[in-house]
Amino acid sequence: AQTVTQSQPEMSVQEAETVTLSCTYDTSESDYYLFWYKQPPSRQMILVIRQEAYKQQNATENRFSVNFQKAAKSFSLKISDSQLGDAAMYFCALTVTGNTPLVFGKGTRLSVIA
Amino acid sequence: GAVVSQHPSWVICKSGTSVKIECRSLDFQATTMFWYRQFPKQSLMLMATSNEGSKATYEQGVEKDKFLINHASLTLSTLTVTSAHPEDSSFYICSARGSRLSNQPQHFGDGTRLSIL
Repeated sequence: AQTVTQSQPEMSVQEAETVTLSCTYDTSESDYYLFWYKQPPSRQMILVIRQEAYKQQNATENRFSVNFQKAAKSFSLKISDSQLGDAAMYFCALTVTGNTPLVFGKGTRLSVIA
Repeated sequence: GAVVSQHPSWVICKSGTSVKIECRSLDFQATTMFWYRQFPKQSLMLMATSNEGSKATYEQGVEKDKFLINHASLTLSTLTVTSAHPEDSSFYICSARGSRLSNQPQHFGDGTRLSIL
């Protein structure tokens, strides 16, 4: 079975600053995929970034980047130049190969302070 | 990008009523659809996985006779909450994948807020 742990229920960051959200996971599979989703107050689920486990290079999407440490089973999200619109719930998620669903962490609520 | 439409977005009904929620993939064929339930300030909890043309696979603890899932076509899956009661009130979200490969992202609907009086 797969598990995802987000140990920070809440985080805050000053506008224009950088914040890192933590995520650890556990799986016995060697081939898997990791995701960060954003859920704003509207409750839409928005894909922020994804990482294939077989890729050593950390994924980046504009102001969003990950620090993927495979041996440590860690997958943190860094948000640079934080904006007010980044305020949301952020979920780390994992899926393994095959027709399997996403397993979500409990989420981290991010507040951005103007 | 891929779009998943979920309807209705909000429904309020009396206890004992059955409620149907639709999830449609608008610009791709959804081989697999997933149904999640989310309580306030909590994470998404997987209820069931639905493959087109097959019976849904329910997670442990989810009553399949209470939550009927139908995935009759490659673009439509429905979740029917039968004889709904106040404890069924929640936020339900569907997602769809255009492939049976897990490396393909799941695209989410906007969710349905269900309130049972």
